[in-house]
Amino acid sequence: DAKTTQPPSMDCAEGRAANLPCNHSTISGNEYVYWYRQIHSQGPQYIIHGLKNNETNEMASLIITEDRKSSTLILPHATLRDTAVYYCIVRVGDDKIIFGKGTRLHILP
Amino acid sequence: KAGVTQTPRYLIKTRGQQVTLSCSPISGHRSVSWYQQTPGQGLQFLFEYFSETQRNKGNFPGRFSGRQFSNSRSEMNVSTLELGDSALYLCASSPGDWRPGEQYFGPGTRLTVT
Repeated sequence: DAKTTQPPSMDCAEGRAANLPCNHSTISGNEYVYWYRQIHSQGPQYIIHGLKNNETNEMASLIITEDRKSSTLILPHATLRDTAVYYCIVRVGDDKIIFGKGTRLHILP
Repeated sequence: KAGVTQTPRYLIKTRGQQVTLSCSPISGHRSVSWYQQTPGQGLQFLFEYFSETQRNKGNFPGRFSGRQFSNSRSEMNVSTLELGDSALYLCASSPGDWRPGEQYFGPGTRLTVT
């Protein structure tokens, strides 16, 4: 079973920041938090991952709480092309990915 | 660097037949994982191969099998196809040496069983 809990869907206005929450209250010390997204009928796309510290790359920022029990993926300026299902996953190293149901993000024009 | 490639992209088979899907990982990656995605069950892990050995296995019946070759290319085989095997089959490659890192997915093979 997936170790994360995400809202089933969210809306965000185009051009605004999309903040996608994830709960992972049972995360262990050596598990990383990963985010992937899947645009309709395509393979999942890696976005970002982190252990303790906040991370930023060209796609997004990842904010992890100090107790590591939750995190937030931030897409700073959402566009229509960011419409997708976003998956939050915890795993050790490059162990198998167990996908939950993810959050379906709708970007509204 | 070329991405993960999967062949064929689309496939139609009849119940009872068998099928073989192919996955070529990113150059230098030694791990290949396979996933099944259906509308009802979502994305489910099938198995992972690393250096020609199965390293991880999901909860699928023995009809689903795979192998990996010395060049890291992998094949997945499904025997005695059932209607419920209709799905998008995804493979993903990663370096495989247990460093935390990104796992890259291919575009998938869409299998339809009639």
